[in-house]
Amino acid sequence: QSALTQPPSASGSPGQSVTISCTGTSSDVGGHNYVSWYQQHPGKAPKLMIYEVIKRPSGVPDRFSGSKSGKTASLTVSGLQAEDEADYYCCSYAGANNVFGTGTKVTVL
Amino acid sequence: QVQLVQSGAEVKKPGSSVKVSCKASGGTFSSYTISWVRQAPGQGLEWMGRIIPIFGTAKYAQTFQGRVTIIADKSTSIAYMELSSLRSEDTAVYYCARGGGVPFAFDIWGQGTMVTVSS
Repeated sequence: QSALTQPPSASGSPGQSVTISCTGTSSDVGGHNYVSWYQQHPGKAPKLMIYEVIKRPSGVPDRFSGSKSGKTASLTVSGLQAEDEADYYCCSYAGANNVFGTGTKVTVL
Repeated sequence: QVQLVQSGAEVKKPGSSVKVSCKASGGTFSSYTISWVRQAPGQGLEWMGRIIPIFGTAKYAQTFQGRVTIIADKSTSIAYMELSSLRSEDTAVYYCARGGGVPFAFDIWGQGTMVTVSS
């Protein structure tokens, strides 16, 4: 199972929006709606931000939203804040396995 | 609220094995899955495998087939991941993560265990 493809980096100024893509295949991202997104600050464990493509766990700000079209899922962070600067990883269920994306570093300018 | 607490850092020789533990406290253990995810220095996340404690059945990523063993002790609410034939490329932080709290996602993570493989 190959890693899902994400852009290495993305950036935006405070208050702006940034969108991160996550491209897979028909065997993972394109095959169902079991895509999740994780935020990871340096030296910390990942934190679940989005599951089932569009759902937010309790406590995650509604500035974070997810979507999917075909084999590409996306995470949008609206109203960027300094604390959103982190690495972001997508993850897809893939036939009893799980596969993560390559990761995207989001920088708040 | 359930917390996952992992064992401490390890330093191992190439060719040896390492066993990392993950204890669930504050909630039910068996009703969920426990996955293991690793992250090499400066690299991304890599899923290694999972176990369903209530059944004791494990599923492994093809990359680690034959080298990794995941078990769970329901009586103590501890999951273990053992990786054998260690090589320098296995140097990484190893995380355990709960699956099933929300569908098909990992909602609770352990703090991570650094495993260093060096001669």
